[in-house]
Amino acid sequence: DSGVTQTPKHLITATGQRVTLRCSPRSGDLSVYWYQQSLDQGLQFLIQYYNGEERAKGNILERFSAQQFPDLHSELNLSSLELGDSALYFCASSVEARRLGEQFFGPGTRLTVL
Amino acid sequence: GEDVEQSLFLSVREGDSSVINCTYTDSSSTYLYWYKQEPGAGLQLLTYIFSNMDMKQDQRLTVLLNKKDKHLSLRIADTQTGDSAIYFCAETSENYGGSQGNLIFGKGTKLSVKP
Repeated sequence: DSGVTQTPKHLITATGQRVTLRCSPRSGDLSVYWYQQSLDQGLQFLIQYYNGEERAKGNILERFSAQQFPDLHSELNLSSLELGDSALYFCASSVEARRLGEQFFGPGTRLTVL
Repeated sequence: GEDVEQSLFLSVREGDSSVINCTYTDSSSTYLYWYKQEPGAGLQLLTYIFSNMDMKQDQRLTVLLNKKDKHLSLRIADTQTGDSAIYFCAETSENYGGSQGNLIFGKGTKLSVKP
């Protein structure tokens, strides 16, 4: 158990819909990262927050957004969902924004778009 | 841009050594990592190596880094059925613009261990 929690574990929705994925980092970790894992693209970095502020952006679509709240939990919002958004979405956390190394991953949320 | 490549599959017999290979393109990579993903689970950091090192050993795991060839390998000694999983090579760099700290992953190598 990494100490990172993600909810829900599974999510099934329809195209065009909007969903919110939630992540609680390990106690004491200020940085949260979101990754998308799909069969064709592999694991891709989406976005990073540090202590409530956006720190870095990766391959995140404009239809997706995220935020980190004062209690450090983070939410990833996916809107106008398409079939290709079906994937595993992982959250990871680390102590610092630039801690080169130790990111602790949650169990993931499996999103299925029908 | 940065890219990490791995072979997709590896099959070994229990008790044998497994060697999983990875190549990366970013010569400014600062840290290189091996993560393990078991079925239905998240990623677990196995080990990492700083780019100024050639080798790192941790119990049954040995990481070798050839910086000249940009080649990283993970050797698992005395492979057990519990080692069956997908192994991801990843890199990070100080030089990814504003993206310092995020990980660039390979597609993963699925290790199957036969009894």
